[in-house]
Amino acid sequence: NAGVTQTPKFRVLKTGQSMTLLCAQDMNHEYMYWYRQDPGMGLRLIHYSVGEGTTAKGEVPDGYNVSRLKKQNFLLGLESAAPSQTSVYFCASSYSSAGDAADTQYFGPGTRLTVL
Amino acid sequence: AQSVTQPDIHITVSEGASLELRCNYSYGATPYLFWYVQSPGQGLQLLLKYFSGDTLVQGIKGFEAEFKRSQSSFNLRKPSVHWSDAAEYFCAVAPSSNTGKLIFGQGTTLQVKP
Repeated sequence: NAGVTQTPKFRVLKTGQSMTLLCAQDMNHEYMYWYRQDPGMGLRLIHYSVGEGTTAKGEVPDGYNVSRLKKQNFLLGLESAAPSQTSVYFCASSYSSAGDAADTQYFGPGTRLTVL
Repeated sequence: AQSVTQPDIHITVSEGASLELRCNYSYGATPYLFWYVQSPGQGLQLLLKYFSGDTLVQGIKGFEAEFKRSQSSFNLRKPSVHWSDAAEYFCAVAPSSNTGKLIFGQGTTLQVKP
């Protein structure tokens, strides 16, 4: 049981390049989330998904797209990277099929992205 | 709008001393409240959560937190800090009952002196 895994762990991009971050969970969780973490700002929600085939915008969605084609995977895409997207990205998942806001979110180890 | 404030950005305590990390929230209804810990280079791990019942919540690693509705606070405490507790601590609130979304505070970095 690996929990939540993220690929890659580190990446350096040039402005305008694209990339996809992969999040995978093996806990059969319904809910998945993408956050970015910047110094002094805590974690901010980018996009989330409440089930396979569904996605929704979070607090800071601009410049990102997501897809949830399979229940266990949640992909975060940057179509044209900008220096402002330099950050640490965390994926999380929770069971919450009944929409219980008290359910625990389990976090991946993070992806450190630098955009030059 | 819902928000979470952690007034202390950095805290330094001596090993063996007691610890209290502050968290204040702004939310109209009864919130669901969480404390997470992030060790350097790692993801976040849940320490404890409150959603109803006893206002004093026990968590892992010897931590506890007390929900005080009158003060809109959910402060984290530990009676005796260990060097391994050095990490960043995040308070979070769940404002919605059907998405599980969390709003995080800015975080408090804890340094432990030998």
